[in-house]
Amino acid sequence: AQTVTQSQPEMSVQEAETVTLSCTYDTSESDYYLFWYKQPPSRQMILVIRQEAYKQQNATENRFSVNFQKAAKSFSLKISDSQLGDAAMYFCAYRKANTNAGKSTFGDGTTLTVKP
Amino acid sequence: ETGVTQTPRHLVMGMTNKKSLKCEQHLGHNAMYWYKQSAKKPLELMFVYNFKEQTENNSVPSRFSPECPNSSHLFLHLHTLQPEDSALYLCASSQESGGTVSYEQYFGPGTRLTVT
Repeated sequence: AQTVTQSQPEMSVQEAETVTLSCTYDTSESDYYLFWYKQPPSRQMILVIRQEAYKQQNATENRFSVNFQKAAKSFSLKISDSQLGDAAMYFCAYRKANTNAGKSTFGDGTTLTVKP
Repeated sequence: ETGVTQTPRHLVMGMTNKKSLKCEQHLGHNAMYWYKQSAKKPLELMFVYNFKEQTENNSVPSRFSPECPNSSHLFLHLHTLQPEDSALYLCASSQESGGTVSYEQYFGPGTRLTVT
């Protein structure tokens, strides 16, 4: 079974600084997707960034980027120029590709605090 | 309405009550999900429906009964719940086949359930 591990329950960063959230996963599959979701306090969970395993290039979305290391099964999220609105719980998720099962495996989450 | 909506947003019920949670997605997706999110616990997948068919039941107690009448609506019927069932219940949807398949999940705002 696939597992996703987020080893940092809590992280904090100074506004305008850079922070990296860690995620490792375990799978025997070669084709899969990885996601980072953001859940702000009392607000909806939304997708931050997505990475397809067959793509070697790391995904980026504005201030958010990932460091995808397939061999090491590592998928970290880097947030640059942190803003107060980045404060949230961040979930890393894994999804096997080419199946209709619809099941994603989520990590336990990392709570990010942004200090002004 | 856009995205994924859930009603009610807050629910307080006694252990002998029967209530239902409703989820509706306006995204044309073909898969829908129920998750339970408790304080200090990871996100727990409860049920998955793909094209109205249940494809995953993650050992959920029978006091939770899902219903998916069509690919846009998902219900969670609740009866004789326990205080430990108090949690945030999240609904999500995704596009699993046909059209643009991305596997990313779109979440609703959740129903905050308190069992007294």
